Amino acid sequence: AQTVTQSQPEMSVQEAETVTLSCTYDTSESNYYLFWYKQPPSRQMILVIRQEAYKQQNATENRFSVNFQKAAKSFSLKISDSQLGDTAMYFCAFMHYGGATNKLIFGTGTLLAVQP
Amino acid sequence: SQTIHQWPATLVQPVGSPLSLECTVEGTSNPNLYWYRQAAGRGLQLLFYSVGIGQISSEVPQNLSASRPQDRQFILSSKKLLLSDSGFYLCAWKASGVYNEQFFGPGTRLTVL
Repeated sequence: AQTVTQSQPEMSVQEAETVTLSCTYDTSESNYYLFWYKQPPSRQMILVIRQEAYKQQNATENRFSVNFQKAAKSFSLKISDSQLGDTAMYFCAFMHYGGATNKLIFGTGTLLAVQP
Repeated sequence: SQTIHQWPATLVQPVGSPLSLECTVEGTSNPNLYWYRQAAGRGLQLLFYSVGIGQISSEVPQNLSASRPQDRQFILSSKKLLLSDSGFYLCAWKASGVYNEQFFGPGTRLTVL
């Protein structure tokens, strides 16, 4: 069974600075996706970034980038130039593809507070 | 573009009462649909998923059931609510046959008293 671990329950960063959120996962599968979702106080789950396991190049979306270390089963999220609107709960998620389910396995989340 | 709706947004129900939460998707056909529950301070747990009308798979044994009476409608139900059913319920959809991300609805906050 796959598991996703986020070891940082809470983090804080000053506005305009950079912060890195950690995520590790465990799987015996070789074909999978990894995601970071953001859940602001509104509770709406928003996709931040996606990484296909077969791609060696780290995904980047504007100020968000990942450090994907497949051998170490690590998938960290870096937020550059942090903004107040980045304050949210961040979830790392794993999805194995190859079956009908394509279900997401979530970590327990990291609550990020961006301070002015 | 595709949109996903959930209602009600909030619900307060007494223990032992029935439950019906609805989720609908617009702008796509034959989506995979999912029900998740998020307990306070925790991640999301998959409850049910559906790959087509009338096709429901349950991930965990529980007091809840799901139905998909139409292609883009997904319903979460209970005959008798328990205190432990309180939480935040999220519906999500994904394009079928595509290995891609899931998109979430705005959620329903359920409080069972």
